[in-house]
Parts: sequence; C-alpha cells; structure tokens
Amino acid sequence: KAGVTQTPRYLIKTRGQQVTLSCSPISGHRSVSWYQQTPGQGLQFLFEYFSETQRNKGNFPGRFSGRQFSNSRSEMNVSTLELGDSALYLCASSTPGQGDRSSYNEQFFGPGTRLTVL
Amino acid sequence: GENVEQHPSTLSVQEGDSAVIKCTYSDSASNYFPWYKQELGKRPQLIIDIRSNVGEKKDQRIAVTLNKTAKHFSLHITETQPEDSAVYFCAATSWGGFKTIFGAGTRLFVKA
Repeated sequence: KAGVTQTPRYLIKTRGQQVTLSCSPISGHRSVSWYQQTPGQGLQFLFEYFSETQRNKGNFPGRFSGRQFSNSRSEMNVSTLELGDSALYLCASSTPGQGDRSSYNEQFFGPGTRLTVL
Repeated sequence: GENVEQHPSTLSVQEGDSAVIKCTYSDSASNYFPWYKQELGKRPQLIIDIRSNVGEKKDQRIAVTLNKTAKHFSLHITETQPEDSAVYFCAATSWGGFKTIFGAGTRLFVKA
C-alpha cells in the first residue's frame, strides 16, 4: 500500500495570508489526525477527523481549521498567518476507531509540509 | 488539559550502553501508549507500543513498561547502536484513538 502523502512539501507565505495543506491517508484508513511540529515543542495535536467529522480538537486558535472528504482525504487551513505558525505540519492516518475500548490505532505519518511564514 | 511530560530532553550514551526515557501522562482515560522514533528530516515511525492492560512489552533490544497507577511509562533500549541516534517521542492516546498527546521528545545520541 502507498503511504500517507502530503502536499505541498514546502510552502512559503507572508503574514496575513492563508494556506491550505492536503493529506491523503493510506488506503482504507478513515481516521486522519493533524499535528504541528516545532523545535522544542514536539508534536502538538491540532485535530482528528473520521468519516468527515471532526471528533477532537487541540488547543489552537480558530484560525486553524480542517475538513475531511468522503474519500478520507483531509485538508487543513490556516488563515491570517502569523510568524509563529512557521512549523512542520504532519498528518497521520490510522485504521478506523469506532470509539470502543478495543480500538487502539497505530498512526502512520506523512512526510509533512514545511510552512515558513515571512 | 491533557499533558505528557517526557524526560530527559537530551540523552547521550556510549555505544553498547542502555538508554532509558521516561514519560508521565495526566489523562486517566489514556489507555494506549505508543513510542515513535524520528530521524533527522524524516517522519515519526512507531517503534513499540503498549496497551493499558499490559505492564511490560519487549521487542528485541527495545522494551516499554507501564505503571498505570503512577501514570508513568518508560522506554528502555539496550545495547545501543549509533543508528539508534534520533529523537524519540512518547505519546498517550485516549480510548478510541480520537486524541493523541505527545511528549516533547528526547534527543538520543549514541557515541561510537
């Protein structure tokens, strides 16, 4: 199976602009999570989608949003970019989590999109 | 809110020695604890995981222990090799996998 893919791989934007990042999960994976990775901060959870529904959200401002399509592909959008949004944005897909206690989901990460805000 | 603390932030060992990384989580609903290895410029990859109904799990040179009462879990790497040099992240996931909280990472250096 092909792995998780993300586009674009690199992006340079200026403050105030908006950006859309795309993630294509492994075939058959219906859960997609997004993370922001910055030096010293590790991976910060942004949100998780399953069957086009956001099931959980991290502590990020409303400028960060996302969505998932019927084919499980997901996009995240950041509006009104700030310098502090410069980071590596990773998405990860996993097999369906049905919400029961036996659902343990190994996450497979994409290569990330490196966003630089100038 | 949920939090995962990871220590140390940097660890330097001699080849052949053991390395131990410790994590503490706050959300008592967490029941799945994966460990990821991230090499420079690469994506995180799962190296081992443990579920809340298990106290210890081993895979060759890597082992993980879990103390649910204390909300502690640890990664043990024995007979370290230079290729073990990377950043290691612990994480805690609540049931259903809806939300995974990662530790800040440990940069491991293995000196030949």
